[in-house]
Amino acid sequence: DTAVSQTPKYLVTQMGNDKSIKCEQNLGHDTMYWYKQDSKKFLKIMFSYNNKELIINETVPNRFSPKSPDKAHLNLHINSLELGDSAVYFCASSQDWASMATEAFFGQGTRLTVV
Amino acid sequence: AQSVTQLDSQVPVFEEAPVELRCNYSSSVSVYLFWYVQYPNQGLQLLLKYLSGSTLVKGINGFEAEFNKSQTSFHLRKPSVHISDTAEYFCAVANTGGFKTIFGAGTRLFVKA
Repeated sequence: DTAVSQTPKYLVTQMGNDKSIKCEQNLGHDTMYWYKQDSKKFLKIMFSYNNKELIINETVPNRFSPKSPDKAHLNLHINSLELGDSAVYFCASSQDWASMATEAFFGQGTRLTVV
Repeated sequence: AQSVTQLDSQVPVFEEAPVELRCNYSSSVSVYLFWYVQYPNQGLQLLLKYLSGSTLVKGINGFEAEFNKSQTSFHLRKPSVHISDTAEYFCAVANTGGFKTIFGAGTRLFVKA
């Protein structure tokens, strides 16, 4: 059983399109995250939700909108895609917001390519 | 605020040789420290973590790391590497209050036969 699963694994789309990436965790965790990994492998947090409530919102364009319908799901919707949005997006979860400081579980990533 | 510096972007090493991947951090408060590994086309996996207690931490796959508070370092070591250890390794730091983990830029370990 995959603990943190993301779909799709690969996403190729044209500039200006709107796309969504879905994430689900079956670990019973309260907290979920979205990270962006750029072409140089630098990993940066974008958002964090704890029990469906937004607790971290880094400096991210408002074209990016996370949605958490329940604590097991955290989806990422991106409007008006730009070339610079090309990256690998990782979803992660931890038992609770304090436990992010002890261990996070990552999905396999979604490689987004904007052409 | 915390920051993490991984001093080497790439480390090539021959199989069965020892390896050390260097990590330095800065923080004005107490921290937790981590090493994660990312195999090609996969997500990150926790290798080991330092929360408190013994400064020498042992992780999976024969890796260990030593927390050195005076030098603000958390270097990762393995006495004998395998081809299968080829991966990207990330050092990370979080303040003990939680919320956010900051990752270093990663070190690519390349093990040659």
